[in-house]
Amino acid sequence: KQEVTQIPAALSVPEGENLVLNCSFTDSAIYNLQWFRQDPGKGLTSLLLIQSSQREQTSGRLNASLDKSSGRSTLYIAASQPGDSATYLCAVRPGSARQLTFGSGTQLTVLP
Amino acid sequence: DTEVTQTPKHLVMGMTNKKSLKCEQHMGHRAMYWYKQKAKKPPELMFVYSYEKLSINESVPSRFSPECPNSSLLNLHLHALQPEDSALYLCASSQGGGTGGYEQYFGPGTRLTVT
Repeated sequence: KQEVTQIPAALSVPEGENLVLNCSFTDSAIYNLQWFRQDPGKGLTSLLLIQSSQREQTSGRLNASLDKSSGRSTLYIAASQPGDSATYLCAVRPGSARQLTFGSGTQLTVLP
Repeated sequence: DTEVTQTPKHLVMGMTNKKSLKCEQHMGHRAMYWYKQKAKKPPELMFVYSYEKLSINESVPSRFSPECPNSSLLNLHLHALQPEDSALYLCASSQGGGTGGYEQYFGPGTRLTVT
C-alpha cells in the first residue's frame, strides 16, 4: 500500500527566504504526483502536476522536482512571501486508473 | 474557467435532518469526486463518479448518498448523520473518467457541523 509522508509537519520562515518542502512515498511505481495548497478552512488549489516521466515542473516562484527511484519529491518556493502561508499537500497517483494518495501536509508560515 | 463551485459554504444540521450538498463544474470534466476532510488531516476519498456513473464507493456509510444528475452536477444527500461526520466536504473534478492521471480541481468545500 502506497504511503506518502511530508516532513516537517510545520515550518516557519522569515519573508524572502527560499525554502524546500519534502514529500516521500513508499512505492516508486507512481503515475504522477500533484502538489496542492490549502488555506485554512478552504479547498485545495492545484499548484503543479508532475508526470512520472518528468523530472520537474515550474510555475512562477514554484518548482517541483520528482525522483521516482528514491521515492521523493520536493517543492521549492523562491523568495517566500507572507501570502505563501498555507498548508502544502502532495498527492501521489499509484496508477492511471488509481486514485490519489495524500500526504498529511506541511503547514508553512512566512513571517513578515 | 477552472472553477468548481460548492453550495452551501456552511451547513449546520441536526442528527434527524435531511440535507444536500451541491457541486457544479463547467469545464467539461467527466469525473467528479467527493472527499471528506477532518481538521489537520488530508482529504479522504468518499465517492468517484465517472461519466455520471458511480465508479468508486470507499465503503462510505449509507447515511451519505451521492447523486450525479448530469455531467456538470454532483450532489451529496445527507440523512441521520452523527456528530463525528462534522468535517469539510470537498468536491473535485478531472478530465477523462477518473482515469488517465488528469489533474484534479477542487471546490472551496462545505463546512458541515452536525449537532
